[in-house]
Amino acid sequence: NAGVTQTPKFRVLKTGQSMTLLCAQDMNHEYMYWYRQDPGMGLRLIHYSVGEGTTAKGEVPDGYNVSRLKKQNFLLGLESAAPSQTSVYFCASSFSGDADTQYFGPGTRLTVL
Amino acid sequence: GNSVTQMEGPVTLSEEAFLTINCTYTATGYPSLFWYVQYPGEGLQLLLKATKADDKGSNKGFEATYRKETTSFHLEKGSVQVSDSAVYFCALAYGQNFVFGPGTRLSVLP
Repeated sequence: NAGVTQTPKFRVLKTGQSMTLLCAQDMNHEYMYWYRQDPGMGLRLIHYSVGEGTTAKGEVPDGYNVSRLKKQNFLLGLESAAPSQTSVYFCASSFSGDADTQYFGPGTRLTVL
Repeated sequence: GNSVTQMEGPVTLSEEAFLTINCTYTATGYPSLFWYVQYPGEGLQLLLKATKADDKGSNKGFEATYRKETTSFHLEKGSVQVSDSAVYFCALAYGQNFVFGPGTRLSVLP
């Protein structure tokens, strides 16, 4: 099992460009999450999904959109990138919510110039 | 709202020293509590968890006890190794609310 994989690993964008980050999991998990990690701030939840076809906002959703068309994939989109979106993005998945363990991908380092 | 506070790092210890990383939380209701560890260049992985008051989570020599009366979940290890060098995150989950602390960087010197 590959677990949780993220594509790409690194990306540099110019302000105003768009991109999509792909997260895939092969553990048949219902729940999937997107976080951003910034120095001194821990991880902050951007969006999450409790099942195929569902999405919900987290703590910092502005400037991002997500889709969960297939159970194993969770896409994070930036329509018009801004320098404030420079961060490391982590995807995670879990079988259920709340007390269940989240399994994390290796991260995507995004720089917006 | 829900929040997690961790001791500021970095923490530098010699091998075989005792480790404590403090974590306190604020939550409505009774959340589940976690410690995650992040090794250099990797994503987070679960170290241990506790889902109700007085529960003790343990793994790889690390322990933490869910203390409702002090709203704390301090991480301890009796004898650290160089391989324990990493960033440690305290986190809580309550319903669909997931909150991570800022992380504490631990460096263990041989």
